[in-house]
Amino acid sequence: EDQVTQSPEALRLQEGESSSLNCSYTVSGLRGLFWYRQDPGKGPEFLFTLYSAGEEKEKERLKATLTKKESFLHITAPKPEDSATYLCAVQGYGGATNKLIFGTGTLLAVQP
Amino acid sequence: DAGVTQSPTHLIKTRGQQVTLRCSPKSGHDTVSWYQQALGQGPQFIFQYYEEEERQRGNFPDRFSGHQFPNYSSELNVNALLLGDSALYLCASSSAGGTEAFFGQGTRLTVV
Repeated sequence: EDQVTQSPEALRLQEGESSSLNCSYTVSGLRGLFWYRQDPGKGPEFLFTLYSAGEEKEKERLKATLTKKESFLHITAPKPEDSATYLCAVQGYGGATNKLIFGTGTLLAVQP
Repeated sequence: DAGVTQSPTHLIKTRGQQVTLRCSPKSGHDTVSWYQQALGQGPQFIFQYYEEEERQRGNFPDRFSGHQFPNYSSELNVNALLLGDSALYLCASSSAGGTEAFFGQGTRLTVV
């Protein structure tokens, strides 16, 4: 069964204090791994898609990396506006659709 | 580009009632998926619609049904509402065969 586990559940950082979020996954044939940002009461906002081990993508202070078993979202010198829940999801080749399997997310709080 | 739009944004219903939620996909997208997100959890896949047909269903009872119209917009219907149906309902659109899904802002359903 496809599964995604994110850690830590919650992370509190000081502004400028870099850190990483982890996403471990099991999937029967990875079609893609996705990172989303979600603000309270809002829908997830797309950040990155990673397709194969060794791939990296960057956007402003965020950098996502992928191995065969996990993905990391690195946050460099975070600002208070980076505070949100970060969701990881996988899409497998099994099944008729491109449905996403999500983890429970990491709640990030960046204090000034 | 309007992105994915959902209506209404908030809804309060009584146990046993029925509800209809609506979604318009991002321009150029023909596939709509519905997800349920309980508080503190990641989104859970309900079902996906393509070419006006349900392609796959997640682990949700038959009380949850849907429809897709020729213009690719979609409705989610939930009958005989239970307190446990209270959640944020998310619509995601994508292109057939594509991997990236974009979410709307969600409909917050509260069942009392």
